[in-house]
Amino acid sequence: DTEVTQTPKHLVMGMTNKKSLKCEQHMGHRAMYWYKQKAKKPPELMFVYSYEKLSINESVPSRFSPECPNSSLLNLHLHALQPEDSALYLCASSQGRNSPLHFGNGTRLTVT
Amino acid sequence: ILNVEQSPQSLHVQEGDSTNFTCSFPSSNFYALHWYRWETAKSPKALFVMTLNGDEKKKGRISATLNTKEGYSYLYIKGSQPEDSATYLCASPITQGGSEKLVFGKGTKLTVNP
Repeated sequence: DTEVTQTPKHLVMGMTNKKSLKCEQHMGHRAMYWYKQKAKKPPELMFVYSYEKLSINESVPSRFSPECPNSSLLNLHLHALQPEDSALYLCASSQGRNSPLHFGNGTRLTVT
Repeated sequence: ILNVEQSPQSLHVQEGDSTNFTCSFPSSNFYALHWYRWETAKSPKALFVMTLNGDEKKKGRISATLNTKEGYSYLYIKGSQPEDSATYLCASPITQGGSEKLVFGKGTKLTVNP
C-alpha cells in the first residue's frame, strides 16, 4: 500500500518504441521526483519538479522526457531507449526540505 | 560533491540478535538525515528524518542517533526478527537550483535468519 501510485508496474519496450510512465499523488506534496534504480545500487535521482516546474535535471539523456501536467501528476516519456536503460523507475513526492520522500512501488522497465 | 557512505554493505544476524549499522555524511551545511527501509519488491519507506545534533528517534524496536558535528548516524535494531530483513538506506538532502534533492548511500542489506 502506497500513497504514490505508479503505472504500469512492468513495461517491456523495444528500442524504437515510445511509452510513458505515470505517477500520481494526492497528498498535496509540492515536490515530485523521478529516480532510477539498478540492481544492488541506491536510487539515482533523475528529475525534480517543484511547484510543477522542473527544478533539477541530473544530466539525464533527452530520450527521457519528464512532464508535470498538474500538482498531482508526473509523467516520464520514453523514446528510443537503450537496453542499458532497463531498471526500476521510482517516483516519489515530498512536502519539502525536512520531510521524508514517499515512494511509489516503481515501474520495472525492460528495453529489448 | 556530497558523499553519503553506509557500512557494512551487508549483514547477517540471527533472530533475537541486536544489531546496528552506520551512515556517514559530510557535516558541513548539514540540515537533515533520512533513514529508509526497503523491502524486496516494495517501495522504500521512510523510518526517520533527523535534523538536530544529538537527536535520537525510536519506532518500535528500531532507533537512530545523529551526530552532525562528526557526520554520522547509527541505526539500531533491538531483538531482530526475520521481518526486519531489508535494505536500510540513509540519505542527506542538498539544495540545488532552489530545490532539494536527496543523496542516498548504497544501503546496508540486513538478513535476519530464523
